[in-house]
Amino acid sequence: DAGVIQSPRHEVTEMGQEVTLRCKPISGHNSLFWYRQTMMRGLELLIYFNNNVPIDDSGMPEDRFSAKMPNASFSTLKIQPSEPRDSAVYFCASSSGGAETQYFGPGTRLLVL
Amino acid sequence: GESVGLHLPTLSVQEGDNSIINCAYSNSASDYFIWYKQESGKGPQFIIDIRSNMDKRQGQRVTVLLNKTVKHLSLQIAATQPGDSAVYFCAERAGSADGLTFGKGTHLIIQP
Repeated sequence: DAGVIQSPRHEVTEMGQEVTLRCKPISGHNSLFWYRQTMMRGLELLIYFNNNVPIDDSGMPEDRFSAKMPNASFSTLKIQPSEPRDSAVYFCASSSGGAETQYFGPGTRLLVL
Repeated sequence: GESVGLHLPTLSVQEGDNSIINCAYSNSASDYFIWYKQESGKGPQFIIDIRSNMDKRQGQRVTVLLNKTVKHLSLQIAATQPGDSAVYFCAERAGSADGLTFGKGTHLIIQP
């Protein structure tokens, strides 16, 4: 079975550019989570969706970040404009029962120059 | 344990020995706890979970212990193998509507 799929795996961009990260959750899972991982702050929950509806976006850093889930099999996390401090690994995870037993994708390594 | 700056707590054990990784959680309302393993360049991988109405749960070579009195969680790995080398994270959930809050992680190193 395919796990959580994320693309791109690596992204290098310049400050001010728009960045779009993509995620395909595990088929049948109804919850999707976006996390950011840095050495300084560890793994931080940014936002999560339940049945395609955003439930908690209190972890989204600022208005430059936005996330959408147009259907059960696809979600995007967009940063516009990007800044060097956004450099991190961004993970998507999905689960079939709320926050329990989340399965993580391989992550997108973002570097903003 | 907690990390300071860029440095993760590190636990170094001999191959074949047992490992115990500790985690202190902060929210007394947390009702669900998970341990994840993260290898270099990969996403966190689920290991084992435990609900707050339990104090011990066993899996294959792993045991999780929960002490709600002192808000402490531990992961025991029996007969560690080279493939156990990774960063281990504990995570807690406070209520069914909340996402997970992760600890900073502990780097487990297996020495031959």
